[in-house]
Amino acid sequence: DAGVIQSPRHEVTEMGQEVTLRCKPISGHDYLFWYRQTMMRGLELLIYFNNNVPIDDSGMPEDRFSAKMPNASFSTLKIQPSEPRDSAVYFCASSSAGPYEQYFGPGTRLTVT
Amino acid sequence: GEDVEQSLFLSVREGDSSVINCTYTDSSSTYLYWYKQEPGAGLQLLTYIFSNMDMKQDQRLTVLLNKKDKHLSLRIADTQTGDSAIYFCAERPPGTYKYIFGTGTRLKVLA
Repeated sequence: DAGVIQSPRHEVTEMGQEVTLRCKPISGHDYLFWYRQTMMRGLELLIYFNNNVPIDDSGMPEDRFSAKMPNASFSTLKIQPSEPRDSAVYFCASSSAGPYEQYFGPGTRLTVT
Repeated sequence: GEDVEQSLFLSVREGDSSVINCTYTDSSSTYLYWYKQEPGAGLQLLTYIFSNMDMKQDQRLTVLLNKKDKHLSLRIADTQTGDSAIYFCAERPPGTYKYIFGTGTRLKVLA
């Protein structure tokens, strides 16, 4: 398996623009997680899905953030409108049953100017 | 406390052993994990330990768990320059599939 795939790897956008981050989980995994990592706040869980259904979105910062999982092999995290304070590395991770160890993608580095 | 706590930095000489410590929050957490993050990369799972174990060894890695004190440690034997990275511990409290991650310990290995 290719592991968790994220795109794009880098995104630079201007304040106010819409940003869409994409994730393909490992085949057969039924949990998907979106995280944000910054120097100031560390690693924060934004939302996670089980069988394509959002289970806990309590970490989503505000209404500007939304996430979807239309099928088992694809998820998006959208920020509209983007702000400079959204600049961070966004990770997607997936896991399956058992110890539920999470496997992380390489991340998307977002810079909002 | 509500945070998973780790010391921020650790520096060791190549060939020595490294010990990275973590204090977690929930004594009933079922699984505890160690992840490694190299610059510009995602988190890589190193190992995990089930809460009914006190120790787990995997090649150069030894994990020790003290449930009474909610203390987890990762020992890296014969530390190499390639081990330089940030190490995160994480716990999975019961009844949830969420992880609570520590702040990360930046390990620097001196040649």
